[in-house]
Amino acid sequence: QKEVEQDPGPLSVPEGAIVSLNCTYSNSAFQYFMWYRQYSRKGPELLMYTYSSGNKEDGRFTAQVDKSSKYISLFIRDSQPSDSATYLCAMSESYQFYFGTGTSLTVIP
Amino acid sequence: DTAVSQTPKYLVTQMGNDKSIKCEQNLGHDTMYWYKQDSKKFLKIMFSYNNKELIINETVPNRFSPKSPDKAHLNLHINSLELGDSAVYFCASSPHSGGADEQYFGPGTRLTVT
Repeated sequence: QKEVEQDPGPLSVPEGAIVSLNCTYSNSAFQYFMWYRQYSRKGPELLMYTYSSGNKEDGRFTAQVDKSSKYISLFIRDSQPSDSATYLCAMSESYQFYFGTGTSLTVIP
Repeated sequence: DTAVSQTPKYLVTQMGNDKSIKCEQNLGHDTMYWYKQDSKKFLKIMFSYNNKELIINETVPNRFSPKSPDKAHLNLHINSLELGDSAVYFCASSPHSGGADEQYFGPGTRLTVT
């Protein structure tokens, strides 16, 4: 079983839609949870970073962590064509980092 | 200014050769990393390193070796390149050395082994 599971998609939505991206994990020792956005042929870019269970909001993005269910989510409100990218969840404890396989998102104008 | 930079951006070489990829960060971070991203976009950590400790992912062949001349640089040296080494290699850095936190990635080096 992989440490982190993420639906690879692809996911295609119309502009303005609310997007929900999710990951599950198996290691209860994970303490830090991150979401990265990766455009084609670019390095991953940190979007959100959370330490505990609960919600964290930043503009159109909301990250949600449920440690009891080992489940994290990223919500994108009012999605824009510029949000089209691959979204990677990541989690860590100590120096060990584990990434999901990424979900490819396309926002159609 | 670029926070995390890598050179070269593209590297095409033949099997059996030895090559190096350079990484520099100007963020003043304590910890640096190397990742490999395969053709399926799966990102896997290879090494993490700060001035105290090198942590190696046990699945990484010993043909791969990180070299850090100073805190701002972590280069990746690869001996006897194989076809399966073809991938995009990302360098990253993070601000803290005592535990896990957010990472900042370089633009990647696309390695093709023929």
